[in-house]
Amino acid sequence: AQSVTQLGSHVSVSEGALVLLRCNYSSSVPPYLFWYVQYPNQGLQLLLKYTSAATLVKGINGFEAEFKKSETSFHLTKPSAHMSDAAEYFCAVSGFQGAQKLVFGQGTRLTINP
Amino acid sequence: KAGVTQTPRYLIKTRGQQVTLSCSPISGHRSVSWYQQTPGQGLQFLFEYFSETQRNKGNFPGRFSGRQFSNSRSEMNVSTLELGDSALYLCASSLAPGDEQFFGPGTRLTVL
Repeated sequence: AQSVTQLGSHVSVSEGALVLLRCNYSSSVPPYLFWYVQYPNQGLQLLLKYTSAATLVKGINGFEAEFKKSETSFHLTKPSAHMSDAAEYFCAVSGFQGAQKLVFGQGTRLTINP
Repeated sequence: KAGVTQTPRYLIKTRGQQVTLSCSPISGHRSVSWYQQTPGQGLQFLFEYFSETQRNKGNFPGRFSGRQFSNSRSEMNVSTLELGDSALYLCASSLAPGDEQFFGPGTRLTVL
């Protein structure tokens, strides 16, 4: 079974500051990990995914995440926040290649202060 | 290429009624999944379909059902609606199971 915990339901940073959104996972098999972003009144958009290749994964819009097996973590970072990054972010896990079912964390709402 | 289309976008029903939601995947995508999003429970997996076959089902009561047609379009049905069924229902499509999933904008269902 898989589960995801996102630490912090709300994160607020200043424009230009580092963004760090935390995600810890639990999985009985090697996980496939994902970060999605959701803007108001829209569906989810994939930011990046880890599928057992490089542990540092680069995604769209300047985001990246590092898979740390020893810490069972997959934290999302961006060096410099932009106002357009304000949204809700979801970390998700699936159990194996070919698995369609995603198990999501509760989400983190990111606010950017001018 | 058009994205995932969900209809209707908004729906208001009363308790006890039933509802059908529709999802048209991206052209060429054969895998469709459904998720329920609520403030309290977050995003929860409902079903997964591939080539008209249900491959996986989430932990939801039998009132929730779905199907996929030969053109990969999918519908989900909720019977005997309850207040707790009020949610955003998201559909996602991919070329095949395990491939990148593209989400539609969702159908917001309100049960009064």
